Amino acid sequence: GAVVSQHPSWVICKSGTSVKIECRSLDFQATTMFWYRQFPKQSLMLMATSNEGSKATYEQGVEKDKFLINHASLTLSTLTVTSAHPEDSSFYICSARGLQRYNQPQHFGDGTRLSIL
Amino acid sequence: TQLLEQSPQFLSIQEGENLTVYCNSSSVFSSLQWYRQEPGEGPVLLVTVVTGGEVKKLKRLTFQFGDARKDSSLHITAAQTGDTGLYLCAGVSGGAGGTSYGKLTFGQGTILTVHP
Repeated sequence: GAVVSQHPSWVICKSGTSVKIECRSLDFQATTMFWYRQFPKQSLMLMATSNEGSKATYEQGVEKDKFLINHASLTLSTLTVTSAHPEDSSFYICSARGLQRYNQPQHFGDGTRLSIL
Repeated sequence: TQLLEQSPQFLSIQEGENLTVYCNSSSVFSSLQWYRQEPGEGPVLLVTVVTGGEVKKLKRLTFQFGDARKDSSLHITAAQTGDTGLYLCAGVSGGAGGTSYGKLTFGQGTILTVHP
């Protein structure tokens, strides 16, 4: 089946540091990738949608300059949390979708636990 | 903005009991998906329901999509401790070419704990 790899799985860093999270589709080409944020015991909240080769579409309330998304190839999208602060600590999950069909399932990565000290 | 109300948020039951989780919306979705998520992992797709009135079974799990494609339910028969986890419903937006194309709108989630 389709596999999405997310790296790193866990990162701890000091406040003010920028952190990059990678999302790779290992055995399919992902035309669209999604980035979600999840707080403990809560649901997933969509942050942004990225299509290969174009700018990401951010959801309302998500700061574009804070959460930089790059989808430069059909197998890789990155999320950079710039100048991270403790309130950015969360579980970040990416998903990837191949063909542009609305009912094509999104394949999820295993998430990245980000802790900002 | 499409919203999906999922209930209950917490469910604690004994092994062998039955349970139902509900997802309701005032919006119509192209399809609806159910996921299960373990702590520290990404959600895993259980099923996708597409047609209004559709019923799908996955062993002890029964999924139903409402006739109007606005609501869905997940019923677990004779729950086991291995069913413990976070269950999420997600509505899939249609409308090819629109900004919402293929987006998932997640419900709030149901944390299920099955005690031995």
